[in-house]
Amino acid sequence: AQSVTQLDSQVPVFEEAPVELRCNYSSSVSVYLFWYVQYPNQGLQLLLKYLSGSTLVESINGFEAEFNKSQTSFHLRKPSVHISDTAEYFCAVTPSRGYNKLIFGAGTRLAVHP
Amino acid sequence: DAMVIQNPRYQVTQFGKPVTLSCSQTLNHNVMYWYQQKSSQAPKLLFHYYDKDFNNEADTPDNFQSRRPNTSFCFLDIRSPGLGDAAMYLCATSRDRLGEQFFGPGTRLTVL
Repeated sequence: AQSVTQLDSQVPVFEEAPVELRCNYSSSVSVYLFWYVQYPNQGLQLLLKYLSGSTLVESINGFEAEFNKSQTSFHLRKPSVHISDTAEYFCAVTPSRGYNKLIFGAGTRLAVHP
Repeated sequence: DAMVIQNPRYQVTQFGKPVTLSCSQTLNHNVMYWYQQKSSQAPKLLFHYYDKDFNNEADTPDNFQSRRPNTSFCFLDIRSPGLGDAAMYLCATSRDRLGEQFFGPGTRLTVL
């Protein structure tokens, strides 16, 4: 079975400051890793994903995440946040083989202040 | 644009009164999922369809049922909603069981 721990339930940060949202996972099999973003009263949007290859993955809006197998982590980072980044961020895993069941972390609420 | 559509966006029902939530997709994906997301919690998978094959999660209450009459549509039926069933219900699709999941905007259910 897999599990995901997002270490911070809320992260307040000022605009243009860097941010890191932490995610650790547990699994006995190899996994794919995802970050989803959820804006208020909306569904989830895929931000970025790690399937294989380079351990550093990037999104089109400046976020990046690094897969660290030894530390079982997949932390999300952005060097300079905007007000519009305010949202809930969910880390998720799924086994890389077999049934694609997404296991989500509890979420981190990122609040960007002016 | 290809997308996942959920109707209605907001649904109010009374305690014990059956309610149906709707999801449609224009992506022609084989797999459709229903998630329940309670306030400030992670989405939790209720069940999924792989084509016409229904797969229920072990801890999904019997009160929740689903129908998929064709590739494009999937319905979530709550037979006797309780106060604890108030939540956001998210529909998602993927091309196959290993594919990326695309989410709809969700339906927020209120139970009075």
